[in-house]
Parts: sequence; structure tokens; C-alpha cells
Amino acid sequence: AQSVTQLGSHVSVSEGALVLLRCNYSSSVPPYLFWYVQYPNQGLQLLLKYTSAATLVKGINGFEAEFKKSETSFHLTKPSAHMSDAAEYFCAVSVRTNAGGTSYGKLTFGQGTILTVHP
Amino acid sequence: EAQVTQNPRYLITVTGKKLTVTCSQNMNHEYMSWYRQDPGLGLRQIYYSMNVEVTDKGDVPEGYKVSRKEKRNFPLILESPSPNQTSLYFCASSRRGGATGTEAFFGQGTRLTVV
Repeated sequence: AQSVTQLGSHVSVSEGALVLLRCNYSSSVPPYLFWYVQYPNQGLQLLLKYTSAATLVKGINGFEAEFKKSETSFHLTKPSAHMSDAAEYFCAVSVRTNAGGTSYGKLTFGQGTILTVHP
Repeated sequence: EAQVTQNPRYLITVTGKKLTVTCSQNMNHEYMSWYRQDPGLGLRQIYYSMNVEVTDKGDVPEGYKVSRKEKRNFPLILESPSPNQTSLYFCASSRRGGATGTEAFFGQGTRLTVV
């Protein structure tokens, strides 16, 4: 079974500073990896995804993540934080799962990391 | 506009009073699922559906029911709610369940309080 661990439930940075949100995964088969963002009182929206095409993935709002198979990691970074980046971020893994003769991709989420940006 | 719509957004109810949270998507997606979000636990899957009349349990199905009679709708039913079901609930849909890295689209969430 797959699992995701996000290191640090809360991360606080100053505006303009580097953002680094850590994600490690466990999967017995090649995974698809996602980062989702949740702004206050909203649903989750996709930031970026890794689907084996390129190890460095660029997403929306200046975020990017690098897939490192040897470290089983998919950390999210942004060179310069903005106040509008304050939100909760979720890392998720999807692997093909067989059930009842068909297969589907089950999403498993990490615990979430709340990012606070100080002026 | 492509979207997943959940109703209601907020609900306060009493223990044992049956309730239904509706979910509808307009993207003709085959795969739909329900999650609950609790602090420190992330999102956990309650039930999922791979197509009309095809549903199965997720990781935390106890106390919940679902149905999928139409492709666009996937209601979540709590027949006898209890306080431990107080949570934030999300419905999501995608093509082919994300097996090929397909993006999941989420509703705005339903905050349920059971007193």
C-alpha cells in the first residue's frame, strides 16, 4: 500500500523568502505524485503533478517540485514567498489499484502543511 | 465552467438524524469519491465510485453510505450521524480515477457538525 508523509505540519516564512515543503512517499510501484493547495474556505486545487515525463515539475503560481526516486521524495519549492501563498498544502500519491476486475488510481494524501507568510 | 458542486456548504445536525450531502459534477467524469478532512490526518477516502452503479469502500467507510444512479451525481448519506463524524467533507471527480496521473477536481467542501 502507498503512503505519504509531509514533514512539518506548520511552516512559517517571511515574504520574499524561499518556501520548502517536504513530502516523502512510499509505493511498491511507480507512483504519480501531486501537490494540491487549499485556500481558506475553499476546496483543493492542483498545483502540479509528476507523471514520469520529467523529474522537475513546474506548476502554477511559481511553484515547482522535484521527483527524487532514490530519496522517495517530492518536495515543493518556491524561490520567493508571497502573502497570497498562505494556505494548506497537500502532497498526494496515486498508484494503479485493482478492484473487482478493473483498475483505478487511488489518491492517498499526506497530513497537510499549513504555510504562513509573514510581512 | 467545469466544476464539482456540493451542498450544503455548512450543516449542523443532531445525533441520529439522517442526512444527505449532495455532489454533482459537470465534466462527465467516470470516477467520483468522497473524503473527510480532519486536522493532522489529511484527507481520507470514505467511498468511491468507478461508474454508474459501481461503488466500493475507501479507507474509512463506517457510518456512511453512497449511491451512484446517475453519472453526474454521487450523494453521501449518513443514516445515523454521530459526533465523531463531525468533519470537513470533500467530493472529488476525475477521469479514470487518476491512474494515468489525471487530475482530481474537488468540490468546495461541506463542514458538518453533529451535536
